[in-house]
Amino acid sequence: DVKVTQSSRYLVKRTGEKVFLECVQDMDHENMFWYRQDPGLGLRLIYFSYDVKMKEKGDIPEGYSVSREKKERFSLILESASTNQTSMYLCASNRGGDQPQHFGDGTRLSIL
Amino acid sequence: QKEVEQNSGPLSVPEGAIASLNCTYSDRGSQSFFWYRQYSGKSPELIMSIYSNGDKEDGRFTAQLNKASQYVSLLIRDSQPSDSATYLCAVNTRVAAQGGSEKLVFGKGTKLTVNP
Repeated sequence: DVKVTQSSRYLVKRTGEKVFLECVQDMDHENMFWYRQDPGLGLRLIYFSYDVKMKEKGDIPEGYSVSREKKERFSLILESASTNQTSMYLCASNRGGDQPQHFGDGTRLSIL
Repeated sequence: QKEVEQNSGPLSVPEGAIASLNCTYSDRGSQSFFWYRQYSGKSPELIMSIYSNGDKEDGRFTAQLNKASQYVSLLIRDSQPSDSATYLCAVNTRVAAQGGSEKLVFGKGTKLTVNP
């Protein structure tokens, strides 16, 4: 079974802090994705990566950056956290092409 | 902007009935279609993939795809209270502006409640 592991289930941070969300997958997948999910807005793609050290902007990249130094690990960085970044963050991965994405358990992030 | 639309619901069915969930998409070039189930407070879980026109059955679940009509549906037979969740339709789309890279576009989901 595909295993996508997100480092924290719940996280509370303060406005202005730099926040790191970590995601690791154990299936040697090429592609990794970061989403946020908010009530009424659905899943929105923040960033994705098709290879080590490569990244592509999704639909809502503002205020975020990513890092992919190793194939199995994809990090989401909130450069200076703001209250409007309070959300559920979901990491996913797939083998590429037309394969389905598999999600981690999610991180519920609160910015105070 | 490529879109995926789902009937917003909520949808309520009695236990044992057939639940029908519908989805339309705008990208005529899409080739891969997925249904995810998401329980409250949990992450989406893949339940069906479909790539060809017609029906695909897996246990109590049947996915139906009609590319000409740009329509995909999910039928749940003999619905159980444990099927109560939000169902997300996802469509693979190629982003020409990003070198042809592919991403999933998700609908906003249909909340299903199965009443005992």
